[in-house]
Amino acid sequence: GNSVTQMEGPVTLSEEAFLTINCTYTATGYPSLFWYVQYPGEGLQLLLKATKADDKGSNKGFEATYRKETTSFHLEKGSVQVSDSAVYFCALSHFNNNDMRFGAGTRLTVKP
Amino acid sequence: GAGVSQSPSNKVTEKGKDVELRCDPISGHTALYWYRQSLGQGLEFLIYFQGNSAPDKSGLPSDRFSAERTGGSVSTLTIQRTQQEDSAVYLCASTYRGSTSPLHFGNGTRLTVT
Repeated sequence: GNSVTQMEGPVTLSEEAFLTINCTYTATGYPSLFWYVQYPGEGLQLLLKATKADDKGSNKGFEATYRKETTSFHLEKGSVQVSDSAVYFCALSHFNNNDMRFGAGTRLTVKP
Repeated sequence: GAGVSQSPSNKVTEKGKDVELRCDPISGHTALYWYRQSLGQGLEFLIYFQGNSAPDKSGLPSDRFSAERTGGSVSTLTIQRTQQEDSAVYLCASTYRGSTSPLHFGNGTRLTVT
């Protein structure tokens, strides 16, 4: 079945460091891929998405590129801020059944 | 407009009691999901409703869990004979049909079974 695997956390970085959170997926066909973020005390919200191979999703300085050849959708940011501290979830949605499957989440803490 | 609304926001119940959790999705959203988020864990898929189709119940952890969606709108997740391991945040999300549509989440119901 469809599934998503994320790098395990927690991840702790200093402000202005480079961030990569790895995400790989297993699915037949061509799923849509998403990153969701959960800030402390808040609900989950969409961060970015990509709907086909080689698409790049971007938002708030974060980027992720849909790589079909490596079945990956790694999240990157060139310079993190304290306000980026949150839990990040990779997810996929398959056209055939539309159900959204999430990775386990990666907790990021950015220290000043 | 209004987002996804879940009630109650917090529920404390005794082991063995039944609980009902409610979700009001965004108007017009045809798809509705329930997830469970345990402390320090990721999102566990529970059940998915899409329009009038039969729901995908493949994520329900046991027969103590059930859910219904009335009139294609409001959904209720019922847990019978609650156990301590049922303690978690139960999240509801809705979206338009289509795999490119992101989910809109409610703030969840925090269930504590004592």
